Amino acid sequence: QKEVEQNSGPLSVPEGAIASLNCTYSDRVSQSFFWYRQYSGKSPELIMSIYSNGDKEDGRFTAQLNKASQYVSLLIRDSQPSDSATYLCAVNLYNFNKFYFGSGTKLNVKP
Amino acid sequence: GAGVSQSPSNKVTEKGKDVELRCDPISGHTALYWYRQRLGQGLEFLIYFQGNSAPDKSGLPSDRFSAERTGESVSTLTIQRTQQEDSAVYLCASSSTSGFSYNEQFFGPGTRLTVL
Repeated sequence: QKEVEQNSGPLSVPEGAIASLNCTYSDRVSQSFFWYRQYSGKSPELIMSIYSNGDKEDGRFTAQLNKASQYVSLLIRDSQPSDSATYLCAVNLYNFNKFYFGSGTKLNVKP
Repeated sequence: GAGVSQSPSNKVTEKGKDVELRCDPISGHTALYWYRQRLGQGLEFLIYFQGNSAPDKSGLPSDRFSAERTGESVSTLTIQRTQQEDSAVYLCASSSTSGFSYNEQFFGPGTRLTVL
């Protein structure tokens, strides 16, 4: 079992819709959670970090964390074609060195 | 401020040659990571440096790979006797281990290595 699992997609949504990206992780000790966006041919770009259960909002992005169920999600409201990219979920064990990245979900936002 | 920088941006080499990749982390970031990303694949952890502590080398795929970092500054990743399967983008990231941005990794633009 992989430490971090993501649906590879592609996930297709129409422009203006809400895109919902999900991620599950296996280690209950995981403490820090991150979402990265990666455009084709570019390096990952940090979008959100979340450390506590619940929701965290930043503009059109909302990260949701449920430690009991071991999942973290990213909602993108009012999706734009420019949001089309691969979204990587990453988890980190508190005070440990390793970051575990999912393989990413490819999002296509259709105009 | 300046982000993570990497050089060269592209490197083409012949099989069997050694290559050296460089990473300049964000000033003040004590943690530095190297990852490998093959075409269409996810990120593969290679090595982690934290301050003056012994590095975590558990992700290095073979003894042909090595990395160094002096204090909290520049790091170099060296691949000896390159093989075609080493072709990938090598990404460096740095992070702070304190404050509100705890453990948020920021990535450099990567070095695209092609082994002919």
